[in-house]
Amino acid sequence: DVKVTQSSRYLVKRTGEKVFLECVQDMDHENMFWYRQDPGLGLRLIYFSYDVKMKEKGDIPEGYSVSREKKERFSLILESASTNQTSMYLCASSLPRQGYYGYTFGSGTRLTVV
Amino acid sequence: AQKVTQAQTEISVVEKEDVTLDCVYETRDTTYYLFWYKQPPSGELVFLIRRNSFDEQNEISGRYSWNFQKSTSSFNFTITASQVVDSAVYFCALSEASRSYNQGGKLIFGQGTELSVKP
Repeated sequence: DVKVTQSSRYLVKRTGEKVFLECVQDMDHENMFWYRQDPGLGLRLIYFSYDVKMKEKGDIPEGYSVSREKKERFSLILESASTNQTSMYLCASSLPRQGYYGYTFGSGTRLTVV
Repeated sequence: AQKVTQAQTEISVVEKEDVTLDCVYETRDTTYYLFWYKQPPSGELVFLIRRNSFDEQNEISGRYSWNFQKSTSSFNFTITASQVVDSAVYFCALSEASRSYNQGGKLIFGQGTELSVKP
């Protein structure tokens, strides 16, 4: 069964910490995405990547960075975690024609910053 | 600009009731794709359906049905004889075909509708 795997389901971090959220897919998908999900706001795109070492800002990139050194792995980095980054983070991947195929999602990481 | 609106934030029904989740979208493209995803309590979004803008036929899959109407820019989702296992957050999403390649395309999601089905 093909999968998108996020390394942690729950994380608690302290304000100011550097936080790494990891995502791995086994479908050989070119595109990978990081979304943030908040009540009433739906899913908002943070960053996406369409190839190794390539990245593009989404709608809310401030306070985040990403890394894609290998095709199967896409990491989201919170350089200095803040309480307003407490949220559910969802990783997804897709084939190049994402508009047609849609995305495959991971189970999410619920991050709490205290 | 593209936009997806799910006006119903929460819906609560009793088992076996029918329920319709509304989705209204905005786009300037003539070719686009619409999606519905289900997010159960486990957290993972599960793909339910994709519809392209040239296919206005309604679709039925078991207890699920979808009504796509370009005239009103709506893509509504109906669950017939709801069950407790249908309790989840449901997202409608839009992708414009002109941006469907690596650099530009992405799915735009609505705010989600939380459906609670009580026994």
